[in-house]
Amino acid sequence: ETGVTQTPRHLVMGMTNKKSLKCEQHLGHNAMYWYKQSAKKPLELMFVYSLEERVENNSVPSRFSPECPNSSHLFLHLHTLQPEDSALYLCASSQALTDNQPQHFGDGTRLSIL
Amino acid sequence: KQEVTQIPAALSVPEGENLVLNCSFTDSAIYNLQWFRQDPGKGLTSLLLIQSSQREQTSGRLNASLDKSSGRSTLYIAASQPGDSATYLCAVSGDRGSTLGRLYFGRGTQLTVWP
Repeated sequence: ETGVTQTPRHLVMGMTNKKSLKCEQHLGHNAMYWYKQSAKKPLELMFVYSLEERVENNSVPSRFSPECPNSSHLFLHLHTLQPEDSALYLCASSQALTDNQPQHFGDGTRLSIL
Repeated sequence: KQEVTQIPAALSVPEGENLVLNCSFTDSAIYNLQWFRQDPGKGLTSLLLIQSSQREQTSGRLNASLDKSSGRSTLYIAASQPGDSATYLCAVSGDRGSTLGRLYFGRGTQLTVWP
């Protein structure tokens, strides 16, 4: 496989469930990102990791918990979510955490909260 | 805080037309600007990246220009085809005091090209 792969593609969960989103990149990149895309808002940055260390938490509620065990994998752990958390969650990676590196995106996980 | 605006929000044209999509941003202190394409149910595909020192970039039928001082970019699509139908997103990187690598996105222009 090449590029950025996200699983699952679709997820439906109740507000009391715990689930995790997975992202894997096969590009040898050192920086990874989580974004949220809602129907009524521009794409929003959630978290940034560089060399497995979190460098930004963009005021994201604690019910979202990221994990980056190595430079190829990024997880987003979910618990006690709200209906307004229903959205497309996109993962991206770039070669390094600089402003001159293009970001490569996965196809996202479509999350629906019942 | 950087804000990115894209006009129009939606565009529907017949095949073969030349198109211009517009993007504006409020803070001119950017490092680069990217244009992305997003197909329904899919992630983002990077089309063109323009460094702040550049004026334009070209890839096939696509040409993107950047006027950093006025906070504007345009994406020109020549001889549009039905396969160009998608949402086109503009994003800028870097502003005063921002985290490296942070992108600010517009809401996108939804393009439909009909045969």
